[in-house]
This record gives sequence, structure tokens and C-alpha cells, in this order.
Amino acid sequence: AQSVTQPDIHITVSEGASLELRCNYSYGATPYLFWYVQSPGQGLQLLLKYFSGDTLVQGIKGFEAEFKRSQSSFNLRKPSVHWSDAAEYFCAVAIDNFGNEKLTFGTGTRLTIIP
Amino acid sequence: GAGVSQSPSNKVTEKGKDVELRCDPISGHTALYWYRQSLGQGLEFLIYFQGNSAPDKSGLPSDRFSAERTGGSVSTLTIQRTQQEDSAVYLCASSSRVRAGGSKITDTQYFGPGTRLTVL
Repeated sequence: AQSVTQPDIHITVSEGASLELRCNYSYGATPYLFWYVQSPGQGLQLLLKYFSGDTLVQGIKGFEAEFKRSQSSFNLRKPSVHWSDAAEYFCAVAIDNFGNEKLTFGTGTRLTIIP
Repeated sequence: GAGVSQSPSNKVTEKGKDVELRCDPISGHTALYWYRQSLGQGLEFLIYFQGNSAPDKSGLPSDRFSAERTGGSVSTLTIQRTQQEDSAVYLCASSSRVRAGGSKITDTQYFGPGTRLTVL
């Protein structure tokens, strides 16, 4: 079965600094890859997704992620964070199981922004 | 509607009572998923509906959990004889699945705001 690892439980960065959130997956083939963000008391919002093609994908709010097959990674990056980016970030993978693309999530990374 | 809606937003119940949680997917989305988010287990898949096909119930944690989807739209997740370990946020997601010839095109799951269930 596929699995997702987000090794960083909590990250603190200064406003304006760059950000990289790590995500590694375990699966024999290339899964579909996603990053979602969850603000306090809110549902999950899709930031970006990778299905195939260009390994560098752009998302909303200035985020991007790069799929690296050799490292089984899909790290999320942002060149300059804003205070509003404080939230919890989830990496997820999906495989096509006879049409059921249920998501397997990582445990999440909580991002704190300091002035 | 513009997005996935869920009701109620919060539900407090006593141990042993039954609860029903409702999900209204995005209009036209054929696939519907239920997930559970709890402190101990993170985000877990519960059940999947696609059109008129039999649902994939492989994620349901016990036979106290059941779900139905009426008319291919609204879904209800029912938990019978609730236990304290059922306390969690229950999230619903919907997606539109499109296949084109020999190439598969898959879509994204859009999530509702969730129902926070507290079992006392």
C-alpha cells in the first residue's frame, strides 16, 4: 500500500523568508500527488497537484512543488512567505484502484510565521 | 452550490447515541468521498461512492459506520452507538471523473468544511 511521510511536524519561518516543506511517498509507480492546506477551523484547500508531465508544478498563492522520481519526493516551496500562510499543510497521494482514487495523507506540517 | 457543503458544522452527542452527518457535493460531481480527521489517526479514508457503482467501504472502521448516497448526490454518514473514539472531524469531498479514450484524465477532490463530532 502507498504511504506518505512528512518528516517535519512543525516549522517556523520569518515572514518574507523562503519555505520548503518535505514530502516523501512510497509506491511502486508514480502516483498522483497533491498538496492541501488547512487553516484553523477550515476544510482542506488544494494548493497544487501533479499527475504527469512537467515535474515542476505551480499552484495557488505562489506555491510550487517539484516531483523527483529518483527521491520519491514532492516538496512544496514558496520563495517568500506571508503571515497568512500560517496553516497546516498536507501532502497526499492517490492511485487508481479501479476508479477509486482515495487519498492517502501525510501527517501534516504545521507552519508558523513570525514577524 | 459553489462548493461542497456539510451539516451540521458541529455535533455534540452522548456515548451510545446515533448520529447522521450530511454532505452536499458539488453539482455534477459523480464521485464522493468521506474522510475522518482525528488527533491520533490523522486523515483517513472511510468510504467512496462513484455513480451507481457499489461503494468502496474498505475504510469504515467498524460496522457501526454506514453511509448512503441518494440519487447520486447527497450523502449521509451514519454512526450508530457512538463511542468516544469516534470524536473527530468528518470531511466530505467530491470530484468529477473524466476519462478520454485511451488516456486517463483524473480530477481533483474538493473538500467541504467538515463536521466536528464530539462524543461525551
